[in-house]
Parts: sequence; structure tokens; C-alpha cells
Amino acid sequence: GNSVTQMEGPVTLSEEAFLTINCTYTATGYPSLFWYVQYPGEGLQLLLKATKADDKGSNKGFEATYRKETTSFHLEKGSVQVSDSAVYFCALIPFAQGGSEKLVFGKGTKLTVNP
Amino acid sequence: DTGVSQDPRHKITKRGQNVTFRCDPISEHNRLYWYRQTLGQGPEFLTYFQNEAQLEKSRLLSDRFSAERPKGSFSTLEIQRTEQGDSAMYLCAVKQGRGELFFGEGSRLTVL
Repeated sequence: GNSVTQMEGPVTLSEEAFLTINCTYTATGYPSLFWYVQYPGEGLQLLLKATKADDKGSNKGFEATYRKETTSFHLEKGSVQVSDSAVYFCALIPFAQGGSEKLVFGKGTKLTVNP
Repeated sequence: DTGVSQDPRHKITKRGQNVTFRCDPISEHNRLYWYRQTLGQGPEFLTYFQNEAQLEKSRLLSDRFSAERPKGSFSTLEIQRTEQGDSAMYLCAVKQGRGELFFGEGSRLTVL
């Protein structure tokens, strides 16, 4: 079946530290991959996406590269800020899903950035 | 402009009672989704609508659950004879693009 595995949290970093949140997936075909973020008290929102192998998604200083050979989509940021404190979810949509576009989410990784 | 309003934000009920959640997109969206999120887990798909038609239901949606979108705008999710295992955050989302869902803040259900 289709599934997403994220690194266990919580992750605590100091401001300006480098961030990596690992994400690997299992899927039939060639899925589209996503990172969603949930800030405290807000709904989930799309952070970035990649739809084919070797694509790099980027937004707000975050990046993730679609690696088909390792079935991974790790999230990185070079210098985190306190405002990046949130829960991050890796997700996929299987390629041949017939149009429903149901997202399959990982369990989420909570990030806390201290000043 | 995109926005999704969910009501109520938090519902506490006793086991066996019925509850209803409402989702109101602020603008027109053909696709509307319901997800459920339990503590420490990511959101899980429950069902989705294309306009007023409910096109797919997850196996997670037992017979006690029913969802409607009568006019293709707002949607309701009703849970009958609630059980403690129904305690979760119920999320509504509308589609903005491929894989791009705009989520509401959710309705948290606590079943005592």
C-alpha cells in the first residue's frame, strides 16, 4: 500500500541552526510528494511540493528534493527561525489514483526553535 | 480568496450522543474533503465531494458517520451514537490545485 514515514519528533533547535526532517515513502507508480505545515492554532497549509523524480520544491527557505532511487523527500532549511516552530507533515498522492487526489500523510514532526 | 470555517471548534459529548460538524468554504470550490486526525498521527482521509456528489468514502467511515453537501457549498459531517474512539480532530479542506488542499482549523471532538 501507500505510506509515508517521517522521522520521530520532537525536534528542538536553536535559531539559525540547520534543519533536516527525513521523509521516506512507499507507493505504487510515481507519486506526487508534499510537505504541509501546521503552525500553532492554524490549519494545515501546503509548504512545498514536487511532482516527479529529481524535482526540487522550495518555499520560505525550505527545500525538498524528490529522490526516486531512495524513495525520499527530506525537508531542509539552512537557517531556522523561531517563527518556523510548527508541526511538519510529509504527504503523497499516488500517481494513478483516478482523480480523487487523496493525500496520504505521515505522522508529523514537531519542530521547536528556541531564540 | 480561500478560507474554510469549521464549527464548532470543540465539542465535548457523552458516549452515545449524536454530533454534527459544519464546514463552510468562503468561496466556491468544487472539491471538498473531510479528514480525521488523532493525537500523534497525521490526517487520514474520510470522504470527499465533487460539488454535491459524495464520490468516495474511506473504510474508516463506519455506518455511524454520514456526510452531506446539499448545495455544493457547505458540508456537514454527522456522527451518530458516538464512541470514545471517535475522539479526534475533524478537518475540512478544499482543493486549490493538484495535491494542494486548504484546510480549516478543524473541529475537535471529545467523547467522554
